[in-house]
Amino acid sequence: EAEVAQSPRYKITEKSQAVAFWCDPISGHATLYWYRQILGQGPELLVQFQDESVVDDSQLPKDRFSAERLKGVDSTLKIQPAELGDSAMYLCASSTGLAGVADTQYFGPGTRLTVL
Amino acid sequence: AQSVTQLGSHVSVSEGALVLLRCNYSSSVPPYLFWYVQYPNQGLQLLLKYTSAATLVKGINGFEAEFKKSETSFHLTKPSAHMSDAAEYFCAVKEGGSEKLVFGKGTKLTVNP
Repeated sequence: EAEVAQSPRYKITEKSQAVAFWCDPISGHATLYWYRQILGQGPELLVQFQDESVVDDSQLPKDRFSAERLKGVDSTLKIQPAELGDSAMYLCASSTGLAGVADTQYFGPGTRLTVL
Repeated sequence: AQSVTQLGSHVSVSEGALVLLRCNYSSSVPPYLFWYVQYPNQGLQLLLKYTSAATLVKGINGFEAEFKKSETSFHLTKPSAHMSDAAEYFCAVKEGGSEKLVFGKGTKLTVNP
């Protein structure tokens, strides 16, 4: 069964350092999402791509976060500089991107970030 | 704006007992509704989804949920809990025409032997 791949699974960094997370969606999925999940809460959407274009980045802290999906396949989420409050699980999900239907989002295993 | 409220951040049941996890949604249009499960340090796995085809939706692992428009609810149930059901469960809503999923804060299910 096809899965969403993410790496690394765990990342420990110091405050003010740069970190990057990678996601490879299910083959053929046009839509890719990055979520942040703070401990004890539900995931919150950071950015949504349709192919290589950003559809929604309204909740992305753009002063320190950036995301790209250059060829419309895999994606990278970067934080620079990391702050203590960025400690969370970062989840990537993908879907076929068919509009108007209950398109299922498939989630990867996540990257757990700890900022010291 | 759409939102989801999950009543009870922690639910504890005995093995073999009924599982009931509550979810109420707020949406200005008929929504799509989802239940996901998350095991420790893992991603989310879809349990089931409501797409307006039927109000009673059956999912994986013996779970089911009933959409009640009059109560704006989509509660998740399982007749008999198993130890392997211990996990965190998230309800999510998506309005038609939007790809954005809005999640509740989650309910952590504990199953006691």
